[in-house]
Amino acid sequence: DIVLTQSPATLSVTPGESVSLSCRASQGIRTSIHWYQQKSNESPRLLIKYASQSISGIPSRFSGSGSGTDFTLNINRVESEDFSVYYCQQSYSLPLTFGSGTKLEIK
Amino acid sequence: EVQLQESGPGLVKPSQSLSLTCSVTGSFITSNYWGWIRKFPVNKMEWMAYTSYSGSTSYNPSLKSRISITRDTSKNQFFLQLNSVTTEDTATYYCARGYPGIFFDNWGQGVMVTVSS
Repeated sequence: DIVLTQSPATLSVTPGESVSLSCRASQGIRTSIHWYQQKSNESPRLLIKYASQSISGIPSRFSGSGSGTDFTLNINRVESEDFSVYYCQQSYSLPLTFGSGTKLEIK
Repeated sequence: EVQLQESGPGLVKPSQSLSLTCSVTGSFITSNYWGWIRKFPVNKMEWMAYTSYSGSTSYNPSLKSRISITRDTSKNQFFLQLNSVTTEDTATYYCARGYPGIFFDNWGQGVMVTVSS
């Protein structure tokens, strides 16, 4: 199975800061990585597909980059509604796997 | 608007079977992929299975001996059955629509299932 390692586990920031969340795959997966946001008591929401492709309805402050084994989700100028947990998911090979999440919290 | 809604018992006894239904509106399950994902306490997410537009299925090998995903196209529903549950199957279960790839663009609200005697 492909293991996805997300770092940091928790990131404490002030609204208005820009942040980068990391997802590292245990083997090369081209750009087969997808990012989700999950707010407390809500279902996950797709933010980015295939490492960098935007999703309709998602604010432009969210962007993704990377290929191979290293991927990044960038949030430009964090807003209060962004404080939640972020997951990456790979679709390069079965079984589909998720990272353990990065919790973005208010400093 | 695509909507998915999970339903099923919130409490299951150990060794019994867990059965969940996902009802879909706004999209037909004869297109795309339809999956089950669960979230354990402490943020661990696990893909369990999916069924495709054609009815083919794929399972997580970690569950393969216990799991079944089926569908009823006339009702636009798909189902999860997980046998011989233990307390380690306590989780929130989500159904979701998948695109070829596979990533999930629409999720149900989730149903919390507790396995306990």
